[in-house]
Amino acid sequence: GDSVTQMEGPVTLSEEAFLTINCTYTATGYPSLFWYVQYPGEGLQLLLKATKADDKGSNKGFEATYRKETTSFHLEKGSVQVSDSAVYFCALSEGELIFGTGTRLQVFP
Amino acid sequence: DAGVTQSPTHLIKTRGQQVTLRCSPKSGHDTVSWYQQALGQGPQFIFQYYEEEERQRGNFPDRFSGHQFPNYSSELNVNALLLGDSALYLCASSLVTEYEQYFGPGTRLTVT
Repeated sequence: GDSVTQMEGPVTLSEEAFLTINCTYTATGYPSLFWYVQYPGEGLQLLLKATKADDKGSNKGFEATYRKETTSFHLEKGSVQVSDSAVYFCALSEGELIFGTGTRLQVFP
Repeated sequence: DAGVTQSPTHLIKTRGQQVTLRCSPKSGHDTVSWYQQALGQGPQFIFQYYEEEERQRGNFPDRFSGHQFPNYSSELNVNALLLGDSALYLCASSLVTEYEQYFGPGTRLTVT
């Protein structure tokens, strides 16, 4: 069945460092891809999405490109802030959302 | 524009009891999905409701059931609670024509 694999965390960075969180997927069809963010004690917030190959989703300085040839949707940000500390989930959807296990990001001043 | 709301925020139940969780979707949305998120894990799909019918179901036992009302709000019922049912239960709403889902803050269920 469909699945999502994320790099394990925690990812620990200093403020203003470059961020990459890897995500690869397995799907029988052509899913939409998403990144969600979860702050401590809260639900999930949609961060960005891409609905077809080569689409680039972007929001709040975060970007991810739908790469069909490598079945990947890596999350990147050029300069992280302390306020970006959270758990990030990669997900795919052909109806229901299928999530990865999440990657905790910790940013220190 | 109100987002997805869930009640209650926290709940403590004893093994064997039954629980009902409630969700109101984002304004304009017609589809509600429920997810279970165990500590340190990604959310797992339970089921999805549209037009008051269960549209899709994940790999959860029949102890988990749901309902959608004419105003699109939804309930999740869990019978014969087990310790392993302790988790954050997330409701998400969407339009049936789109894959993008918006999540509520969740209900933290603790089974003792």
